Amino acid sequence: AQKITQTQPGMFVQEKEAVTLDCTYDTSDPSYGLFWYKQPSSGEMIFLIYQGSYDQQNATEGRYSLNFQKARKSANLVISASQLGDSAMYFCAMGISGSARQLTFGSGTQLTVLP
Amino acid sequence: NAGVTQTPKFQVLKTGQSMTLQCAQDMNHEYMSWYRQDPGMGLRLIHYSVGAGITDQGEVPNGYNVSRSTTEDFPLRLLSAAPSQTSVYFCASRKRSSYGYTFGSGTRLTVV
Repeated sequence: AQKITQTQPGMFVQEKEAVTLDCTYDTSDPSYGLFWYKQPSSGEMIFLIYQGSYDQQNATEGRYSLNFQKARKSANLVISASQLGDSAMYFCAMGISGSARQLTFGSGTQLTVLP
Repeated sequence: NAGVTQTPKFQVLKTGQSMTLQCAQDMNHEYMSWYRQDPGMGLRLIHYSVGAGITDQGEVPNGYNVSRSTTEDFPLRLLSAAPSQTSVYFCASRKRSSYGYTFGSGTRLTVV
């Protein structure tokens, strides 16, 4: 079975600084995808970034980048130049080919950006 | 585009009552899923479907039924509500050829 671990229940960052949210995963399936979602206080799930297991380069989407270290089974999210609007819960998730890529989620990290 | 539409947004049930959470998507997505989110936990998969007429169980299927008679709709039925089913329920969909999931806005269910 696959598992996602997020060890930081809460994080604080100063506005305009960069922050790294940790995510480690475990799966025996060689084909998988890793996702990060943002959940603001309003409750919706917002897709941020995706990394495929066979992708050679780290994914980037604007201020978001995914630091993918396959050997260490980690997929950390880096947010550059934090903004107050980045304050939210962040979830790491994985989908494997054997389950039609249905998502397994971590427990989340609550990020607070300080002015 | 409406995306993924969930109804109702809020619901209070008494223990033992049954109800159906509705989920509809207008993007012609083959895959649809139901998740529940409890405090301090990430989302957990209840049931999913890879096409009309095909459903399968996820991590926490007990107490829930699903069916998929059309590509657009994927209702979740609570057979006999229990307080342990108090949660926020999310429906999600994606195209088979894509990796990106689209989530509905959620249904907050309270069972008293």
